[in-house]
Amino acid sequence: EAGVAQSPRYKIIEKRQSVAFWCNPISGHATLYWYQQILGQGPKLLIQFQNNGVVDDSQLPKDRFSAERLKGVDSTLKIQPAKLEDSAVYLCASTPETGGGSPLHFGNGTRLTVT
Amino acid sequence: GDSVTQMEGPVTLSEEAFLTINCTYTATGYPSLFWYVQYPGEGLQLLLKATKADDKGSNKGFEATYRKETTSFHLEKGSVQVSDSAVYFCALNSNSGNTPLVFGKGTRLSVIA
Repeated sequence: EAGVAQSPRYKIIEKRQSVAFWCNPISGHATLYWYQQILGQGPKLLIQFQNNGVVDDSQLPKDRFSAERLKGVDSTLKIQPAKLEDSAVYLCASTPETGGGSPLHFGNGTRLTVT
Repeated sequence: GDSVTQMEGPVTLSEEAFLTINCTYTATGYPSLFWYVQYPGEGLQLLLKATKADDKGSNKGFEATYRKETTSFHLEKGSVQVSDSAVYFCALNSNSGNTPLVFGKGTRLSVIA
């Protein structure tokens, strides 16, 4: 099966600019996650979708970050305006179900550098 | 809240050496436990998992046993290869509701020939 697709692979922007990332999960996977991985740290959840509804966005900085999953398939994550501390790898993951024991399938991520 | 603590890296080993990466967790209830691996330039991949106490996950020569009494899930391999060089992440997932994976900070392993 095709894996989780993310684009772009790399992005360099200046602070205060906006940026958007795209993710297409594995076909049929109902649950989609966006994680932020800052250099030297483990991934941190930003938002979790179940189909096209938000399950958990408690750690999403909503003053600058937004995400949507129209039609319950692919998803976009946007940052506007970007700050230097947003430099990180943004990982998208999907799973066919929620709850314990369900491994996540990750994309290769988008590496964002904010200058 | 739930959390995972991994040993600090980087870890540098010679080929064929024994590997242990320590992982302990704090969680309510009985979480599922995972090890993910991130090879250079690639995304996170599931290495192994265990869903209940005393379960042993294994894959590619790696093993980890879910120890409820010590809240640990240490990763071991008897003989590492250069190709095992990567960053290893311990993670947990609560077995209740729509809870996401919580990751440790990762441990970088370098294996030299």
